[in-house]
Amino acid sequence: EAGVVQSPRYKIIEKKQPVAFWCNPISGHNTLYWYLQNLGQGPELLIRYENEEAVDDSQLPKDRFSAERLKGVDSTLKIQPAELGDSAVYLCASRIDSGGEQFFGPGTRLTVL
Amino acid sequence: EDQVTQSPEALRLQEGESSSLNCSYTVSGLRGLFWYRQDPGKGPEFLFTLYSAGEEKEKERLKATLTKKESFLHITAPKPEDSATYLCAVQAWAGNYGQNFVFGPGTRLSVLP
Repeated sequence: EAGVVQSPRYKIIEKKQPVAFWCNPISGHNTLYWYLQNLGQGPELLIRYENEEAVDDSQLPKDRFSAERLKGVDSTLKIQPAELGDSAVYLCASRIDSGGEQFFGPGTRLTVL
Repeated sequence: EDQVTQSPEALRLQEGESSSLNCSYTVSGLRGLFWYRQDPGKGPEFLFTLYSAGEEKEKERLKATLTKKESFLHITAPKPEDSATYLCAVQAWAGNYGQNFVFGPGTRLSVLP
């Protein structure tokens, strides 16, 4: 069974530029999460989807971050414009329903110069 | 506010030297406690889920236990390949959002040969 796929794995951009991350969850997993992880810290939730509905986006900085999950499968997280403080690893995770463990992708490491 | 703390922040062990990692939590209605392992440059890898006080789970050299306020990850006779960051996370009731998933900062374990 294929795991959670994320791309790109690494991204370097200059501040004020836009950037987008893509996630393909495990087949059949209807719950999808985007997390941000700073060095030496645990993941912090940005947004949670149940199918195509964003059921918890309370921690998403909506002035510059946006996300979508079309057709309840793949998801895209966008930052526009990026700031220096956005440098971090962006993790995507999925689970089969609202209970049980999450399975994580390898993450996208973003560096904003 | 749901909170998760982990101790120690970092731990160095000699190969074969058993020890325990601690995860303390304050949540309003625990739905589950999760342990993950994270290697550098990778996403967290699921280890265990615990749902109620007194529950224990084992996998190879690892054993996780749960009380009403904390969880322990016991490592028996560790090997260098057990070196990683171990993350604890709790899932709790979160009112209108249905659930809240909070990670601790992790414990960085180094096992020396």
